[in-house]
Amino acid sequence: RKEVEQDPGPFNVPEGATVAFNCTYSNSASQSFFWYRQDCRKEPKLLMSVYSSGNEDGRFTAQLNRASQYISLLIRDSKLSDSATYLCVVNTFNTGKLIFGQGTTLQVKP
Amino acid sequence: GAVVSQHPSRVICKSGTSVKIECRSLDFQATTMFWYRQFPKQSLMLMATSNEGSKATYEQGVEKDKFLINHASLTLSTLTVTSAHPEDSSFYICSAVAGTAYNEQFFGPGTRLTVL
Repeated sequence: RKEVEQDPGPFNVPEGATVAFNCTYSNSASQSFFWYRQDCRKEPKLLMSVYSSGNEDGRFTAQLNRASQYISLLIRDSKLSDSATYLCVVNTFNTGKLIFGQGTTLQVKP
Repeated sequence: GAVVSQHPSRVICKSGTSVKIECRSLDFQATTMFWYRQFPKQSLMLMATSNEGSKATYEQGVEKDKFLINHASLTLSTLTVTSAHPEDSSFYICSAVAGTAYNEQFFGPGTRLTVL
């Protein structure tokens, strides 16, 4: 079983749609959680950290459910520029050894 | 935010040759740098952790004699792929942290290696 699992997609949505991505992690000792965005042939860039209380950054909302070992990302009012691969990332031992999910690809269409 | 550079951005080499990739932190001192590899349509996989002035720590399954890592200064780590083969063709990405702020990793732009 992979340590971090995501549905690879692709998710094809029209502009303005709301889309949600989910992610599960296997190690209950995991401590820190993130969503990264990766554009084609580029390095990953931090989108947002994920906290148990849930956090929001503009059109993006992230949620963490420790009991279910589940992380989500909600994107509202999708823009064409949101098209990318979204990586669920977990830091289990706070050592910097980030564990990346396979990524979920989003294509926003006009 | 902090900037990490990688050089070269793209390299094509013949099978059997060695390739060196540099990772530099441009505006901060990086006590720790990480090297990742990403194959097409797959996730980033950590290869090794590089600490300045000490030997790198390799992940299980990564051959330390094939992937030589040198972290000679607080701003530079190098990864040398020795005797490269076509299966080593991949996207190699480094990241750097300042101090022990491991949750704040700054990624380099990556190096695309193609071995013919």
